[in-house]
Amino acid sequence: GIQVEQSPPDLILQEGANSTLRCNFSDSVNNLQWFHQNPWGQLINLFYIPSGTKQNGRLSATTVATERYSLLYISSSQTTDSGVYFCAVISGSQGNLIFGKGTKLSVKP
Amino acid sequence: DTAVSQTPKYLVTQMGNDKSIKCEQNLGHDTMYWYKQDSKKFLKIMFSYNNKELIINETVPNRFSPKSPDKAHLNLHINSLELGDSAVYFCASSPGTSGGEFFGPGTRLTVL
Repeated sequence: GIQVEQSPPDLILQEGANSTLRCNFSDSVNNLQWFHQNPWGQLINLFYIPSGTKQNGRLSATTVATERYSLLYISSSQTTDSGVYFCAVISGSQGNLIFGKGTKLSVKP
Repeated sequence: DTAVSQTPKYLVTQMGNDKSIKCEQNLGHDTMYWYKQDSKKFLKIMFSYNNKELIINETVPNRFSPKSPDKAHLNLHINSLELGDSAVYFCASSPGTSGGEFFGPGTRLTVL
């Protein structure tokens, strides 16, 4: 099955810094989503982005489907950005999301 | 509020008991899912239903039985609970072909 690899596994930032999280996948995808799991465990949809670029406030995401990767940009990070960021994909005929192992982000005040 | 909701949020029980987790979505989606998140935060699909019919059943013990009374509900019943069943269980829904999946708040199950 498709492999989803996220990097880095852990990231510590000072408040105000920018960061880029990466998601590589091993096959073509029909669907790619980025989620934020906050410290209370809630999974929050950030982007549905099988291709192209989207922006939402301080966050933006780009998926280059032909090269099998997606990037999540966080600018001017805040302590509330802390948590785990997951990339998840649907490939081929499978009907469910396959998740990466996540990037754990800690933003220090 | 339009959302995916789950009850209960927390469930603490003894080994050997039977328990159920309920899930409801009012997004009008055709497809619903159950995912399990283990202690290392890894999320994995368990089941998927489309219009009340089972379409995905990953290698999950048959002690786990999903039930979909209508397309807005997908409940998870677990028999003879074991210590290894302790995890967070997430329900999700999607419109099917595109638009992404939307997750419920999760149910943290602890088996003592």
